[in-house]
Amino acid sequence: DQQVKQNSPSLSVQEGRISILNCDYTNSMFDYFLWYKKYPAEGPTFLISISSIKDKNEDGRFTVFLNKSAKHLSLHIVPSQPGDSAVYFCAASGDGAGSYQLTFGKGTKLSVIP
Amino acid sequence: DTAVSQTPKYLVTQMGNDKSIKCEQNLGHDTMYWYKQDSKKFLKIMFSYNNKELIINETVPNRFSPKSPDKAHLNLHINSLELGDSAVYFCASSQQAEISYEQYFGPGTRLTVT
Repeated sequence: DQQVKQNSPSLSVQEGRISILNCDYTNSMFDYFLWYKKYPAEGPTFLISISSIKDKNEDGRFTVFLNKSAKHLSLHIVPSQPGDSAVYFCAASGDGAGSYQLTFGKGTKLSVIP
Repeated sequence: DTAVSQTPKYLVTQMGNDKSIKCEQNLGHDTMYWYKQDSKKFLKIMFSYNNKELIINETVPNRFSPKSPDKAHLNLHINSLELGDSAVYFCASSQQAEISYEQYFGPGTRLTVT
């Protein structure tokens, strides 16, 4: 059963516009959420995270929003740049069992068109 | 000065063979992990390990075993390889798991079993 879901396998956005990547989760015990970015033939790279006690975290062009009641988070990239083209993975942790392991979504491939 | 490195990058072998993948991190982290990314692109945790405990994902066959000669290394041994073991395997590390969820990934090892 997928506890972390990214329902959009791909997204295309024009350079300079906003990219919005979505993620849903089912386990209400998750208390920490992360976004990773992955280029082909490389490992995932940590991008930004948010604790469940917050609803927004911003780092430069990247902002993550968390809606706990809806069990939904999103990553906003603005303005989008061609170098942002990659696969973005949503991940969650803290499942209440004392586990710090990450549960990943399937990823969304973002293409930023120049 | 790669933070998390893996060798080999590609590994092609026949069914029934035994193989190892090596992982090293120079970040001074306390915890290391192995993930499997299968054909459906899911990144799934296989093991997490620090000097105190090994946590094994219950779905991992016992043909897979992690070996840690020291804190900076966590190697993955696979016995009696099967076709279904073909995947990309990622090593990762993090600070003390209790205080940091961010994990740093290696570039991955693409294993092909024929």
